[in-house]
Amino acid sequence: AQSVAQPEDQVNVAEGNPLTVKCTYSVSGNPYLFWYVQYPNRGLQFLLKYITGDNLVKGSYGFEAEFNKSQTSFHLKKPSALVSDSALYFCAVRDPMHNFNKFYFGSGTKLNVKP
Amino acid sequence: DADVTQTPRNRITKTGKRIMLECSQTKGHDRMYWYRQDPGLGLRLIYYSFDVKDINKGEISDGYSVSRQAQAKFSLSLESAIPNQTALYFCATSDDSGVGTDTQYFGPGTRLTVL
Repeated sequence: AQSVAQPEDQVNVAEGNPLTVKCTYSVSGNPYLFWYVQYPNRGLQFLLKYITGDNLVKGSYGFEAEFNKSQTSFHLKKPSALVSDSALYFCAVRDPMHNFNKFYFGSGTKLNVKP
Repeated sequence: DADVTQTPRNRITKTGKRIMLECSQTKGHDRMYWYRQDPGLGLRLIYYSFDVKDINKGEISDGYSVSRQAQAKFSLSLESAIPNQTALYFCATSDDSGVGTDTQYFGPGTRLTVL
């Protein structure tokens, strides 16, 4: 069965420090992986995606994510957090081998960046 | 994303009432989706449509119906609302890459409360 897990409900980090939001997936084939961010009272916004190629993907607002096939992970990272990065982050996966039309979303991780 | 709009933004209704949530998009995308978001559960797919004549059930379609009135409009109906349908509902669109690499664009959401 396809699924995606975000093991941390909440991540707290001080402004200026590096941040990591974790995501692991369970897909039988090669996955398509996505990160979205949700600000309060807003819809989800696309940050970045991995389809194929370089394992390190760079996205919007200085975020990046690394695809690690052996660990089945796609952690979201940023070298220096900003208070404005505080939001809810969702990892999502698609399984192109079985049903590429469906997204499977993680439960979300709330990122708190403190001044 | 202002290109995807949802009405109403907030709605309180009573058990047994019929309610319709509307979604419009100006992105020119063929594909449209309805999701619900519950705390700790991420987003779950209710229905999706690849064009006006194509409607598909998602993970949790029971108790819901949809109508694709035009390329730009996709409505979600609750025929007889029940309290456990209280949630945040999102509409999304995507272009037709056909191979699962497309990015989804989300509306601002409708907060529905069923008393």
